[in-house]
Order: sequence, then structure tokens, then C-alpha cells
Amino acid sequence: QKEVEQDPGPLSVPEGAIVSLNCTYSNSAFQYFMWYRQYSRKGPELLMYTYSSGNKEDGRFTAQVDKSSKYISLFIRDSQPSDSATYLCAIRPSGGYQKVTFGTGTKLQVIP
Amino acid sequence: DTAVSQTPKYLVTQMGNDKSIKCEQNLGHDTMYWYKQDSKKFLKIMFSYNNKELIINETVPNRFSPKSPDKAHLNLHINSLELGDSAVYFCASSQTSGVGNEQFFGPGTRLTVL
Repeated sequence: QKEVEQDPGPLSVPEGAIVSLNCTYSNSAFQYFMWYRQYSRKGPELLMYTYSSGNKEDGRFTAQVDKSSKYISLFIRDSQPSDSATYLCAIRPSGGYQKVTFGTGTKLQVIP
Repeated sequence: DTAVSQTPKYLVTQMGNDKSIKCEQNLGHDTMYWYKQDSKKFLKIMFSYNNKELIINETVPNRFSPKSPDKAHLNLHINSLELGDSAVYFCASSQTSGVGNEQFFGPGTRLTVL
């Protein structure tokens, strides 16, 4: 079983739709949860991170963590064509020098 | 600009050659990484250095040798290149004292081995 599972998509939605991106993980030692956005031919950029169960909101983006189910989500409200990218979830245990494990990424296309 | 930079951006070479990729960060971070991203976009860590000391060394062929001359630089040398080495290689940096160890990525080096 992979440490992090993520549906690769592609996911295609109309502009203005609410997008839900999800990951599951297998190891309860993971404590930090991140979402990265990667535009085509660019490096990943950190979008959001959280280290507790519950919701964290930043503008149109909401990160949700359910540690009991080992399930993390990223919601994008009022999606825009500029949100078209690959979204990677990333997780790591607590403590220094711990490696980050990335999901395989979900490719999102927002159609105008 | 404060950032993580990599050179070269593109690298096309023949099998069997030796090549190097360079990375520099001016974010003042103490930890740097090399990742490999394959054609399916899977991002996998290869190495990590903290203050010039190797701290993460994943199962990587010993043809790959990282080198950190100082905490702002991390280079990757690859000997005897193989077809399977074709990928995008990303450098990243972070500050270990940061809460989530948020990593900042460079633009990537697209390596094509013919």
C-alpha cells in the first residue's frame, strides 16, 4: 500500500464550480499536511499547510484534515481558469529532518 | 529575487555521459533537497542536506552523488547516465525550525537521456 494515495484525474470543471481534491494516507504518524500547486513546466509551490484536524481557510481555498479517517481534502471555491494546474498533497511526520511524502498529483482543468 | 534557482533548465545528453546540475537558494534556509519527478508527475525525494550534512539518502543508484559546498548550494552529479534517468529534477529548500518544514522549489531541470 502506498503511503499516500491521490486520484490522478484529470478533473475537468466549468469556471465557478467548487472543486474537491482528496488524498488518503496510511500512516498515523503523519502530522503535517500540505497542498502544493504545480503549473505546467514549473516547480511545485506551497498552497496551504495544516497540522491539525479540521478546516483551514485561505481565500477561495479550504484545506480539510480528518486524522481519524486519514483523509485530507482541498476545496477550491469559485474556480478560475488560472487554477488549472496539478495539485499535490504532501504529508510528513512531526520532528525535524523528516522527509515529505508527496501524492501523485491531481491534474485540474477549469474551463472558461 | 529571493528564490531557489537551478542550472541548467534543460539538459539533453547521450547515455553514458556524466552531467551536473547546480542549485542555489538565497532564502537563508538551512536544508536543501533533490527530488526526481517522473513522467507521471510522481515527485520522489532523493537526498536532503542540512547545513552541508547529508541527512536523507533514499534508495538512489550510487551514480548519483550530491554535494553541498555550503548551506546555500546543493549540486547533483550523475555518472554514466541511463535512459531511465530522464526526468525533471527539482531542488528545494526549507528551514527546519519552520512549523511544517515548508519547502520552496526551484524551476526544475529537465534531463533527457538519448
